[in-house]
Amino acid sequence: SQTIHQWPATLVQPVGSPLSLECTVEGTSNPNLYWYRQAAGRGLQLLFYSVGIGQISSEVPQNLSASRPQDRQFILSSKKLLLSDSGFYLCAWSVGGIYNEQFFGPGTRLTVL
Amino acid sequence: AQKVTQAQTEISVVEKEDVTLDCVYETRDTTYYLFWYKQPPSGELVFLIRRNSFDEQNEISGRYSWNFQKSTSSFNFTITASQVVDSAVYFCALSTSGTYKYIFGTGTRLKVLA
Repeated sequence: SQTIHQWPATLVQPVGSPLSLECTVEGTSNPNLYWYRQAAGRGLQLLFYSVGIGQISSEVPQNLSASRPQDRQFILSSKKLLLSDSGFYLCAWSVGGIYNEQFFGPGTRLTVL
Repeated sequence: AQKVTQAQTEISVVEKEDVTLDCVYETRDTTYYLFWYKQPPSGELVFLIRRNSFDEQNEISGRYSWNFQKSTSSFNFTITASQVVDSAVYFCALSTSGTYKYIFGTGTRLKVLA
């Protein structure tokens, strides 16, 4: 069966520090991978998605970046965090076309102080 | 442009009441898919249902039912005899051909009071 992992679960970082969040998927090949951010009490904002290794599509220009070094690994990074980067970060995967549902990871709660 | 609107920001009901969560979508594509997800307090989104644009049959799964009406571009979700465990944020989402993106609504927070 398929499983998606995200870590860390919780993170508190000072403004200006770097960030690296990791997401890995097990039990499937060539998944589509997604990073979303959810501000407190708000909806989901799509940040990046990837349909293959090395392929990254950015939805929101900001100080975040994403990479997909392996088929089932998706990394969200920042060189310098801003207060506005605080939120709940969710990784998701799907296979095939848009007719299939997404499956979400447990999320990382990031607080930037 | 594609869009999903969940006009109800928050709904509170008393346990055992029925509740309907509204979802209105916009797309010019003839092939599209609609989804509902549940986000409990733990935070992880849980997939509930998928419906394609060619299938307008309503669906029932236990206490959950979904009403898809293309004429009004709506895909509403009803919980019958609500329970405290139904308390969560519910998201409606849309995907269309030619893109790998899913468009999410802003969510409806459901509070079921004992």
